[in-house]
Amino acid sequence: DAGITQSPRHKVTETGTPVTLRCHQTENHRYMYWYRQDPGHGLRLIHYSYGVKDTDKGEVSDGYSVSRSKTEDFLLTLESATSSQTSVYFCAISQEGTNEKLFFGSGTQLSVL
Amino acid sequence: GENVEQHPSTLSVQEGDSAVIKCTYSDSASNYFPWYKQELGKRPQLIIDIRSNVGEKKDQRIAVTLNKTAKHFSLHITETQPEDSAVYFCAASVAPGTYKYIFGTGTRLKVLA
Repeated sequence: DAGITQSPRHKVTETGTPVTLRCHQTENHRYMYWYRQDPGHGLRLIHYSYGVKDTDKGEVSDGYSVSRSKTEDFLLTLESATSSQTSVYFCAISQEGTNEKLFFGSGTQLSVL
Repeated sequence: GENVEQHPSTLSVQEGDSAVIKCTYSDSASNYFPWYKQELGKRPQLIIDIRSNVGEKKDQRIAVTLNKTAKHFSLHITETQPEDSAVYFCAASVAPGTYKYIFGTGTRLKVLA
């Protein structure tokens, strides 16, 4: 599993509440990513990080913020959850160098009611 | 920015036949093209990848071809088996050295026994 752990695995919340998803890695990878997966849209990049405190926006960053204060943790926050943010969220990691391969976590199923 | 289109969205083949999934990309600077397989309820997993300096790559029953001039790449699965049934995603790097990847919308492959 490339040492990636996502938490929680499932979450149900109400519209307007804040939500934080956590991605934890144990192998000191530099690059970390948050994707969301929705039917008909595939995997869309929300935010990614290329180092501690270094982050950048992806395709669908509106309504999301991220933080990376330690190499091993990448947090995704929905400041005020909306029903359109109901989705499966995947964290991924990639190691710099010749190996650009993305490895995904197990995913978090988030339902916003 | 980079855009990746993937076709078809669904594909049904008889066991033993071949399957072909096609993707096109928009950014001529893209230089890395991975393919992912996602079984129901599981995480996407890398099955094969190709770089822009290579035209074709094979790994047992799967192969990927790349046409840089036309900006399209394809996944070929020969002698399909029921366990090949899954959703397949193509992806393209956004730009060299960015370690950002844009995914296609996925192809649901069904192998009929």
